[in-house]
Amino acid sequence: SQQGEEDPQALSIQEGENATMNCSYKTSINNLQWYRQNSGRGLVHLILIRSNEREKHSGRLRVTLDTSKKSSSLLITASRAADTASYFCATDDLILTGGGNKLTFGTGTQLKVEL
Amino acid sequence: DTEVTQTPKHLVMGMTNKKSLKCEQHMGHRAMYWYKQKAKKPPELMFVYSYEKLSINESVPSRFSPECPNSSLLNLHLHALQPEDSALYLCASSQVMEGSNQPQHFGDGTRLSIL
Repeated sequence: SQQGEEDPQALSIQEGENATMNCSYKTSINNLQWYRQNSGRGLVHLILIRSNEREKHSGRLRVTLDTSKKSSSLLITASRAADTASYFCATDDLILTGGGNKLTFGTGTQLKVEL
Repeated sequence: DTEVTQTPKHLVMGMTNKKSLKCEQHMGHRAMYWYKQKAKKPPELMFVYSYEKLSINESVPSRFSPECPNSSLLNLHLHALQPEDSALYLCASSQVMEGSNQPQHFGDGTRLSIL
C-alpha cells in the first residue's frame, strides 16, 4: 500500500513562479526522499531529509519535514519550463537484514510550468 | 544520460513467451532494486538485492524471477505474463552504508507490453 499522499495531484504555473507540493504519510519514518520523473524517463533523486532535520535546501529546492504532522513539502523557487515533471515523495526505511533501503512512494504531483 | 542502464527500452511479448530484462550499473553500488510502475501511478517495489542476495520480495508472482549474477548486473526473467503486467519496469541501485539511508539511482526503464 502507498505510504504517502501528495497534494495537489496536478499543478500548472507560469515560469518564474514558485511551486509547492505537499506530502503526507501515515507511519513513523527514518527519512524522506523527493524524486523527479520526466515523462518517459526514470526517477532522479532530488533531496533526502532525515527525520531529525526540519528543513533542507538544494539550489532552487527547499524541503521541509514536520514529523509531528507526518508531512513534508517541496518548494521549487523561480520555476522553469524544464521543471515540468512528476514529483514524488518517498518514505525511506532501512532494510536491516542485508542492507539497502526500501522506498515507498507517494501518489505524486504532476507539475507543468508554462512559458 | 543515466548511470543505470536498462535493456531493452521497449518489449512486446505474448503471454506464452519467455524474456528477460537487464540492468547494469558501474557505480560500485551493492544494493539493486526492481520496481513496477503503471501509467500515472508511483513506482512499486518488487525486489531488493543486497550484496547479490535477495533481501526483499514484495509478494511478487512467480512469473517474475529476479537474478543478480554479479554486483553490476540485475536481471528480471519473465514467463507466462498476464496483460495486467504491462507497465514500466524500473531498475535502481544504491550504496549500502550501515545505519544510513542512501539515494537510489534509477535507469530509464523498460516499457513492457503483454499481448
